[in-house]
Amino acid sequence: EAGVAQSPRYKIIEKRQSVAFWCNPISGHATLYWYQQILGQGPKLLIQFQNNGVVDDSQLPKDRFSAERLKGVDSTLKIQPAKLEDSAVYLCASSLWGISGNTIYFGEGSWLTVV
Amino acid sequence: KQEVTQIPAALSVPEGENLVLNCSFTDSAIYNLQWFRQDPGKGLTSLLLIQSSQREQTSGRLNASLDKSSGRSTLYIAASQPGDSATYLCAVRDNYGQNFVFGPGTRLSVLP
Repeated sequence: EAGVAQSPRYKIIEKRQSVAFWCNPISGHATLYWYQQILGQGPKLLIQFQNNGVVDDSQLPKDRFSAERLKGVDSTLKIQPAKLEDSAVYLCASSLWGISGNTIYFGEGSWLTVV
Repeated sequence: KQEVTQIPAALSVPEGENLVLNCSFTDSAIYNLQWFRQDPGKGLTSLLLIQSSQREQTSGRLNASLDKSSGRSTLYIAASQPGDSATYLCAVRDNYGQNFVFGPGTRLSVLP
């Protein structure tokens, strides 16, 4: 079974520039998550999709972050303009929905450095 | 709002020791609790999943327990090996949605 795919793996940008990350979840997984993990901390949820609808985006800084999941499969997370404090790993994860959707599977992450 | 804490933040042990990692959560209305391993530069790998109705789960040298009423879980690693060196995170899934709330992790070093 193919895992959660993310790209790019590494990105270095200057502050005020924009960046986009792509995620392809495990086939058949209805729920997709984007997490931000700052060095030394646990992942923090940015946004959660159920199919192509948003379930929770309460911690997404909407003035600079946006995310979409067209057709309920792939997802893109965009940051514009980037700030120094956005330097982090952006983890995409997916899970099945409902009672059977217990385990969450993570991609290897997209590492962002803002200079 | 659910909050998850983990102690210790870091742990260094000689190879062969048995060790316990601790996880605490503030809201006992959880659906399940999951322990993850994260290697440097990598994503998270699920180790053990405990449903809210269960008390423990075992996989090989790993045993995770859950005391929902007191808001605690422990991960027991038997006969530790250098390959166990990683960061271990716990996450709880609440009853209200599908979100996972993570602790900050325990960074484990097992010395040969």
